[in-house]
Amino acid sequence: DAGVTQSPTHLIKTRGQQVTLRCSPKSGHDTVSWYQQALGQGPQFIFQYYEEEERQRGNFPDRFSGHQFPNYSSELNVNALLLGDSALYLCASSLFVASGDGETQYFGPGTRLLVL
Amino acid sequence: AQSVTQPDIHITVSEGASLELRCNYSYGATPYLFWYVQSPGQGLQLLLKYFSGDTLVQGIKGFEAEFKRSQSSFNLRKPSVHWSDAAEYFCAVGGLKGRGSTLGRLYFGRGTQLTVWP
Repeated sequence: DAGVTQSPTHLIKTRGQQVTLRCSPKSGHDTVSWYQQALGQGPQFIFQYYEEEERQRGNFPDRFSGHQFPNYSSELNVNALLLGDSALYLCASSLFVASGDGETQYFGPGTRLLVL
Repeated sequence: AQSVTQPDIHITVSEGASLELRCNYSYGATPYLFWYVQSPGQGLQLLLKYFSGDTLVQGIKGFEAEFKRSQSSFNLRKPSVHWSDAAEYFCAVGGLKGRGSTLGRLYFGRGTQLTVWP
């Protein structure tokens, strides 16, 4: 049973460029969340996708956008990169629970983005 | 506002010693609580979770955690630490129900770095 996978593993970009990160959820999961983890910090929630729509969004600018495909995989796009966008980007997948009880998120290995 | 506090940034223990990592949360509704572990350069691995019921929960790798509502705490424990437990540990809260629910979003603490001496 494959877990959450992310690509690429590492990425180097320059300021002002755009980047796309990819995530495939764990088998049987339908919800994908994205987190940014700066060095020495805990992960910060960016947004969550369910049924190809953004279900919830954290406190991130519009430069951060996403997409979910019919096969539940997801992309995170960041435009006009800043030095401060350098971080580990984590994808997590879960199975939507209609009652709202205890969705458990499982994380991928992350994509490390360095902006120069 | 929702928040998670891990008061210990770095803890050092000897192999075989017991371990307790502290976690306090601030939340407006019934919390769902998680502990994750992160090895260097890796993603997060779920150790254990609390949704309801028995307040003492067992996880993988011999870890357990106890939910204490009166203290807003969810401390992680292990009776005997192994060198392979050296990693960073994150407490998280999320999955709320009710008014203003932030369903699905996890709030993380800053993490506790665990060093194990041989």
